[in-house]
Amino acid sequence: QQQVKQSPQSLIVQKGGISIINCAYENTAFDYFPWYQQFPGKGPALLIAIRPDVSEKKEGRFTISFNKSAKQFSLHIMDSQPGDSATYFCAARGRHGSSNTGKLIFGQGTTLQVKP
Amino acid sequence: DGGITQSPKYLFRKEGQNVTLSCEQNLNHDAMYWYRQDPGQGLRLIYYSQIVNDFQKGDIAEGYSVSREKKESFPLTVTSAQKNPTAFYLCASSLAGENTGELFFGEGSRLTVL
Repeated sequence: QQQVKQSPQSLIVQKGGISIINCAYENTAFDYFPWYQQFPGKGPALLIAIRPDVSEKKEGRFTISFNKSAKQFSLHIMDSQPGDSATYFCAARGRHGSSNTGKLIFGQGTTLQVKP
Repeated sequence: DGGITQSPKYLFRKEGQNVTLSCEQNLNHDAMYWYRQDPGQGLRLIYYSQIVNDFQKGDIAEGYSVSREKKESFPLTVTSAQKNPTAFYLCASSLAGENTGELFFGEGSRLTVL
């Protein structure tokens, strides 16, 4: 069962443009929603994260927008740069006491290419 | 400096052979995880452990085994029962319990079955 669905699978953006990646989840027993960035041949690294009691979190050029009622959250990369070219994963953490306690469930990933 | 070390980085295996992937962390984390990464499928959880001498199956545990005899180590064995073992394997660690949040990943091990 795919509890976290991510789109698009791939994305091409011009330098300076806005990159938008969307995720939707199916289970309400999640309490933490991180985004990871992965460069080729490397392990993913935490980029930014949000808890469901806030609707938006911004860190530099990266913003998470969270819509609890729609069970959707998205990553916006402003002023996209070639160095942002990577694979991005959204994830959701199982709430303590739920069937997914302590588990981080990932989306399918989005490969972003920022053209110079 | 602290981190997670996976070895080997590349591994080739003949069909029918078991192979063990090593994962060591010096972050003093209680929780450790193994994920499998395939193109277009994201990261799928194989096994995870919240504490020494205890571990749970993830979503795709069939054909894999793990042990957690030490806090620092969480080796993964890919057995001959795994039908399609060629993949990129990622080990991660984190704080446990309600503080499980940021996962720290190793650089991965790429397994190819010949």
